Amino acid sequence: GAVVSQHPSRVICKSGTSVKIECRSLDFQATTMFWYRQFPKQSLMLMATSNEGSKATYEQGVEKDKFLINHASLTLSTLTVTSAHPEDSSFYICSATMGILWETQYFGPGTRLLVL
Amino acid sequence: GENVEQHPSTLSVQEGDSAVIKCTYSDSASNYFPWYKQELGKGPQLIIDIRSNVGEKKDQRIAVTLNKTAKHFSLHITETQPEDSAVYFCAASKDNAGNMLTFGGGTRLMVKP
Repeated sequence: GAVVSQHPSRVICKSGTSVKIECRSLDFQATTMFWYRQFPKQSLMLMATSNEGSKATYEQGVEKDKFLINHASLTLSTLTVTSAHPEDSSFYICSATMGILWETQYFGPGTRLLVL
Repeated sequence: GENVEQHPSTLSVQEGDSAVIKCTYSDSASNYFPWYKQELGKGPQLIIDIRSNVGEKKDQRIAVTLNKTAKHFSLHITETQPEDSAVYFCAASKDNAGNMLTFGGGTRLMVKP
């Protein structure tokens, strides 16, 4: 149980294009989903927290107009990197929790983004 | 806010030996402490967690201890195997924080056969 998937697992795009990454909870309803960014050999950096049906809460320094997050259902959240640039290249990972009183986060397998 | 420090950053052990990774946290209100294992190119996987009302928890070769007074917790892996090689992250969270986790910097564990 508690499986989280991400799609795509890897994407290469040209500078200036937008990329959408999907995060799905496969066997549970996720009231809260988190989006992280991870650079090589570094820890996970929280980008934003999204609750189903409401606007995402972004961490300081994360541009909300660049990293659009939509959490339209209890099993799906999407992260769209708009007008991607080479510096956006990174490993993006989502996680999900089952509820406010359920603090365990289950992580997806991650999405490797390379912007040329 | 919460600050979690993790040591060591790299750890090399011989197969069969034990490995210990330590974390300290700053916010005494933190009450949930998970440990994650991350293999290369993959997302973190929860391997064990502990809540503040418990001092120790064990699951086969893995154990976690928590010292609330000193605000530190440790991961113990016994009888290490090459497949234990990965990056391990500790984390901390507290009630009323929206389930947000604060992660340590990670420990790269290498188990030599």
